[in-house]
Amino acid sequence: DGGITQSPKYLFRKEGQNVTLSCEQNLNHDAMYWYRQDPGQGLRLIYYSQIVNDFQKGDIAEGYSVSREKKESFPLTVTSAQKNPTAFYLCASSGGMAGDTDTQYFGPGTRLTVL
Amino acid sequence: AQTVTQSQPEMSVQEAETVTLSCTYDTSESDYYLFWYKQPPSRQMILVIRQEAYKQQNATENRFSVNFQKAAKSFSLKISDSQLGDAAMYFCAPFSARQLTFGSGTQLTVLP
Repeated sequence: DGGITQSPKYLFRKEGQNVTLSCEQNLNHDAMYWYRQDPGQGLRLIYYSQIVNDFQKGDIAEGYSVSREKKESFPLTVTSAQKNPTAFYLCASSGGMAGDTDTQYFGPGTRLTVL
Repeated sequence: AQTVTQSQPEMSVQEAETVTLSCTYDTSESDYYLFWYKQPPSRQMILVIRQEAYKQQNATENRFSVNFQKAAKSFSLKISDSQLGDAAMYFCAPFSARQLTFGSGTQLTVLP
């Protein structure tokens, strides 16, 4: 089955710790994205990557870091510098069939809670 | 920068009836796409429908259709023959300059 997987589904972090959220896709998509969703709000872009070994900051990149060493994988690290990391994190990818390269498809998300 | 306004935080519809969700946006780009996504209680974001801004014809996808008014920068979603499974948060999202911008969403309740 082709799709996007995110792990873990739930993640708990103590203050001052870094944590890494996993995102993997087997859709052969070139672009991958990370979004944050706070309760009752829409999604906000953290980072995105159009190709391997390249990524760009989104609107709320402070306190986060990413890497793109493989086409299939785009992990997100939430650092201790992120002041309020408790949120729902969604990963997406795009770059499928010609004529549909801009449509983003989403993973199931990771719920991060800071204790 | 893009801005998106969904002026209806909550809406309800009777099962089998029709409902329209509104969305207005602002962009300086001339070439862009527009999307509606739904987010059910599972919180998975699911693509509902896609519209290319250069196309005058409104997109349709089974019971879902849009009313795209480019000059007015309006992009409403019509759901016909509403079903219980349509209950979800619906987000309007224009895509331009390689970025998708989400509105604050409309929570749709379907009444049996």
